[in-house]
Amino acid sequence: GAGVSQSPRYKVAKRGQDVALRCDPISGHVSLFWYQQALGQGPEFLTYFQNEAQLDKSGLPSDRFFAERPEGSVSTLKIQRTQQEDSAVYLCASSQRTSGTHNEQFFGPGTRLTVL
Amino acid sequence: AQSVTQLDSQVPVFEEAPVELRCNYSSSVSVYLFWYVQYPNQGLQLLLKYLSGSTLVESINGFEAEFNKSQTSFHLRKPSVHISDTAEYFCAVSEGANFGNEKLTFGTGTRLTIIP
Repeated sequence: GAGVSQSPRYKVAKRGQDVALRCDPISGHVSLFWYQQALGQGPEFLTYFQNEAQLDKSGLPSDRFFAERPEGSVSTLKIQRTQQEDSAVYLCASSQRTSGTHNEQFFGPGTRLTVL
Repeated sequence: AQSVTQLDSQVPVFEEAPVELRCNYSSSVSVYLFWYVQYPNQGLQLLLKYLSGSTLVESINGFEAEFNKSQTSFHLRKPSVHISDTAEYFCAVSEGANFGNEKLTFGTGTRLTIIP
């Protein structure tokens, strides 16, 4: 497909379980972002990758959150020992990296995580 | 640190009436400004953006926004709305690319409901 895809679209986890959320960016996009969108809120930045390098993880809320992009394409966001406050929609976005201008971020449909 | 304020969480408007969705931002540096739209059961889509140049920017479906530096605002307007404009609208800012990191800071969103 031509857009950003994410899987699964919905995930229900029991408190304490580990989850892994996948993002397939647009082919050739260098930059990849993860955002967290709680109910009734706007998306909040979690982390940024440039190719396989994680250059900014300042938005990750705790050390239970871990993201990787080992080959510079697909990315996985892992949450260990999930808590109820982790319930949110997790959005992935990708963009090209062209110097001299702002690069549009293309968003995936998100993964809705519900922690019981 | 940058922040975005969308004071109106919900805006009901009659079909064919004008609408304005308000957005104010704060930042210590120059910013890029964006409006994203999220239609029901769809992902975030870029509606319009201000990067530089003319302070009035337009979208292909009749929306426009004006960057006002003195008032730190980027309000979204449309002179005549349609049922199809029903969606959640998010204002966002970026402080530009720090090592390519063009992370976005979003407001909490405004739900626009068009009344037939």
